[in-house]
Amino acid sequence: QSVLTQPPSVSAAPGEKVTISCSGSGSNIGNNYVSWYQQVPGTAPKLLIYDNDKRPSGIPDRFSGSKSGTSVTLGITGLQTGDEADYYCGRWDSSLSTPWVFGGGTKLTVL
Amino acid sequence: EVQLVESGGGLVKPGGSLRLSCAASGFSFSTYSMTWVRQAPGKGLEWVSSIKSSGTYIYYADSVKGRFTISRDNAKNSVYLQVNSLRDEDTAVYYCARGRGDWSRDLYYFDSWGQGTLVTVSS
Repeated sequence: QSVLTQPPSVSAAPGEKVTISCSGSGSNIGNNYVSWYQQVPGTAPKLLIYDNDKRPSGIPDRFSGSKSGTSVTLGITGLQTGDEADYYCGRWDSSLSTPWVFGGGTKLTVL
Repeated sequence: EVQLVESGGGLVKPGGSLRLSCAASGFSFSTYSMTWVRQAPGKGLEWVSSIKSSGTYIYYADSVKGRFTISRDNAKNSVYLQVNSLRDEDTAVYYCARGRGDWSRDLYYFDSWGQGTLVTVSS
């Protein structure tokens, strides 16, 4: 079974930078493309990053994605109060009978 | 503008059934895979099921296999989720999402989401 592990919570002050990790087990995340989703409480998730490090149009460059080995990271610079949300990583692994998995989610608090 | 509008949720007793619908507009529906994702109250996102554009390939989470059925009608620009034998733990907001990428290359993500429909299973 494939699992993606995220820290339950992170926090930082406005203007600062924060990183959220997403590490894979059971199947090598290094062979997959990871995407990231932002969910502000009470709203639907929104795509932030796809293919490990690409931003959809309309997503500011304060948000970035990177991959190293079996871990991927979401970075957010210049934190704003509006960034306070839950963040989820996810990936598709075609070798599995249940191919999609989300990480457990990370709650970002902007102090 | 891409729009996904879910409907069909509601209050249902354990063991009951519902048919969730997702109406799509603003894009060429028949060329995209579609997915259902759910979120139990206070919990994280859980992938439920995906269907390829033609409907030929379908996947389910182990937690719903044998109870839920995903289908699509490309003529009606809609994807459905038939949910049977409902359990308390199926209580959640159910989102439909548009998929992009290539399953065979493990390059896949969800670029548009609906607002969700709430399914509450309770006696």
